[in-house]
Amino acid sequence: KAGVTQTPRYLIKTRGQQVTLSCSPISGHRSVSWYQQTPGQGLQFLFEYFSETQRNKGNFPGRFSGRQFSNSRSEMNVSTLELGDSALYLCASSQLRGETQYFGPGTRLLVL
Amino acid sequence: AQSVSQHNHHVILSEAASLELGCNYSYGGTVNLFWYVQYPGQHLQLLLKYFSGDPLVKGIKGFEAEFIKSKFSFNLRKPSVQWSDTAEYFCAVTANSGTYKYIFGTGTRLKVLA
Repeated sequence: KAGVTQTPRYLIKTRGQQVTLSCSPISGHRSVSWYQQTPGQGLQFLFEYFSETQRNKGNFPGRFSGRQFSNSRSEMNVSTLELGDSALYLCASSQLRGETQYFGPGTRLLVL
Repeated sequence: AQSVSQHNHHVILSEAASLELGCNYSYGGTVNLFWYVQYPGQHLQLLLKYFSGDPLVKGIKGFEAEFIKSKFSFNLRKPSVQWSDTAEYFCAVTANSGTYKYIFGTGTRLKVLA
C-alpha cells in the first residue's frame, strides 16, 4: 500500500496570505489527523476527521480549518498567515480512531 | 487537562549504554499508549504500542516499554543502544473509546555517540 502523501512538501508564503495543504491517507484509512510540529513544542494537535466529520479539535485559532472528503482525503487551510505559523505540518491516518497513526512526510511552511 | 510529559528533552549516550526515557500522562479513562520515533530525515513511525494485556510490550529494534497504571507511566527502555538509534522519540496517549483524542509529548532527542 502507498503511504500517506502530503502536498506540497514545501511552501513559502508572506504574512497575511492564506494556504491550503493536502493529505491523502493510506487506502482504507478513514481517520485523518493534522499536527503542527515545531522545535521545542513537539507535535501540537490541530484536528481529526473521521467520515468527513471533524471529531476533535486542538487549541488553535479559527484561522486554522480543515475538511475531509468522501474519499477520506483531507485538506487544511490557514488564513491570514502569521510568522509564528512557520512549522512542519504533519498529516496522519489510521484505519480506526485511537489506533496506530501513520504519518506523512509533512509540509514545511515558511511564513516571511 | 489531558497531557503527556516527557522528562528528558535531550539525552546523549555512548553506544552499548542502556536507555530509559520517561513518559507520564494525565488522561481520564482507559488509554492506548504509543511510542513513535522520528529518525533523521524520515517520517514519524510507530516504535511500539500498548492497548491491553501484558503491560510489558516489545517493539521494533529491541525497544520495550512498561505500562505502570498506578504511576500513569509508560517508560521506554533499551538495554544497549546503537548509533542508529539516534532519533527523536515521542510518547503519545489516546483514549480507547469516546473522544479518541491523541496527545503527544514534546519529544526526546537521543544522540548516540559511536
